[in-house]
Amino acid sequence: AQSVAQPEDQVNVAEGNPLTVKCTYSVSGNPYLFWYVQYPNRGLQFLLKYITGDNLVKGSYGFEAEFNKSQTSFHLKKPSALVSDSALYFCAVRDGSDSWGKLQFGAGTQVVVTP
Amino acid sequence: GAGVSQSPSNKVTEKGKDVELRCDPISGHTALYWYRQSLGQGLEFLIYFQGNSAPDKSGLPSDRFSAERTGGSVSTLTIQRTQQEDSAVYLCASSRDGGKHFGDGTRLSIL
Repeated sequence: AQSVAQPEDQVNVAEGNPLTVKCTYSVSGNPYLFWYVQYPNRGLQFLLKYITGDNLVKGSYGFEAEFNKSQTSFHLKKPSALVSDSALYFCAVRDGSDSWGKLQFGAGTQVVVTP
Repeated sequence: GAGVSQSPSNKVTEKGKDVELRCDPISGHTALYWYRQSLGQGLEFLIYFQGNSAPDKSGLPSDRFSAERTGGSVSTLTIQRTQQEDSAVYLCASSRDGGKHFGDGTRLSIL
């Protein structure tokens, strides 16, 4: 079984400040971790993923995430937030041994960036 | 380029009616997934199809929900005798190599 926890329903940050969205996971096999962003009335857009290799993963729109195996975390970060980053962010995990497996998503974190 | 296409984008129907939601995956993608996003909740897996294999239906919440995929391409998710708790955004995703591409979803509202 696999699970994902996003402990914050909402994160508020001022434009230009660093942004962090937290995610912790549980999976029986090797974790494949993903971040998706959802803008209003749109589907999910892929941001980045961790499969193997470097613990720091760089993705789209200046986002990055750090895989921490000991803390079972995969927090999403951006050094300087933009108003246009305001959206709903989902962390997801699947068992790496199942190439076609279903993703387990977190409940989502609403990010609000104020000018 | 063509992405995953879902129709309708919005559907409002009365409780007790049947609804059909359509997903056109990206051409050549052998895997197709349906997810549901309810208000205030995360994404919930419903069903997935992989090639000609039997679908994984483990996420379907009740026997009122069914899905099929014809010719390994288009998929239809059917909800019979809709209930108010079925109101949600239904997202379809397709995949060729494990990386998933999502459609914009169908927003279903049950009155």
